[in-house]
Amino acid sequence: QQQVKQSPQSLIVQKGGISIINCAYENTAFDYFPWYQQFPGKGPALLIAIRPDVSEKKEGRFTISFNKSAKQFSLHIMDSQPGDSATYFCAASPVGSSNTGKLIFGQGTTLQVKP
Amino acid sequence: GAGVSQSPSNKVTEKGKDVELRCDPISGHTALYWYRQRLGQGLEFLIYFQGNSAPDKSGLPSDRFSAERTGESVSTLTIQRTQQEDSAVYLCASSLRQGAQPQHFGDGTRLSIL
Repeated sequence: QQQVKQSPQSLIVQKGGISIINCAYENTAFDYFPWYQQFPGKGPALLIAIRPDVSEKKEGRFTISFNKSAKQFSLHIMDSQPGDSATYFCAASPVGSSNTGKLIFGQGTTLQVKP
Repeated sequence: GAGVSQSPSNKVTEKGKDVELRCDPISGHTALYWYRQRLGQGLEFLIYFQGNSAPDKSGLPSDRFSAERTGESVSTLTIQRTQQEDSAVYLCASSLRQGAQPQHFGDGTRLSIL
């Protein structure tokens, strides 16, 4: 049972453009929503994360927009660069000491930024 | 070490053989997770350790899969009688304590079953 749905599966953007990746979740117990970046042959690395008490979080060129009522969140990459070409995963988890913290991942989006 | 270390980085074995994959978490991290990543897909949770106990094994796909952890350090994931569908990248992650985020991932072991 897939609890986090991610789209699109792949994305091609021109250098300097905006990359947008979307995720939707089902479990209302989720309250931590990270985005991970993965380069070939490497493990996922945390890019940015958000809790549901805010609707937006920005770190540099990366922004998460969060819509709690719609159970959706998205990653925006501004001024996309060829070095941003990677696979991006959204994930979700309930947090707190009573939870295991295991992450439920989306299927991933392969981003290619053309020079 | 500074990060999560996994070994071997690559493993090729014949169908039916047993394999052991190793994970060294970040020092001081009590929570440890194993995930499986099939080609072109997202990560699937396998098992969670808090210290050396495994309160959540719900993601293990069959009884051929098992894992253990020594204290709050090294963990091994064992796959017995490997099948071709076990081919995947096996990733380990650790976090500071139960329920804490973020999780820090190793680079994984790429397992290929011939």
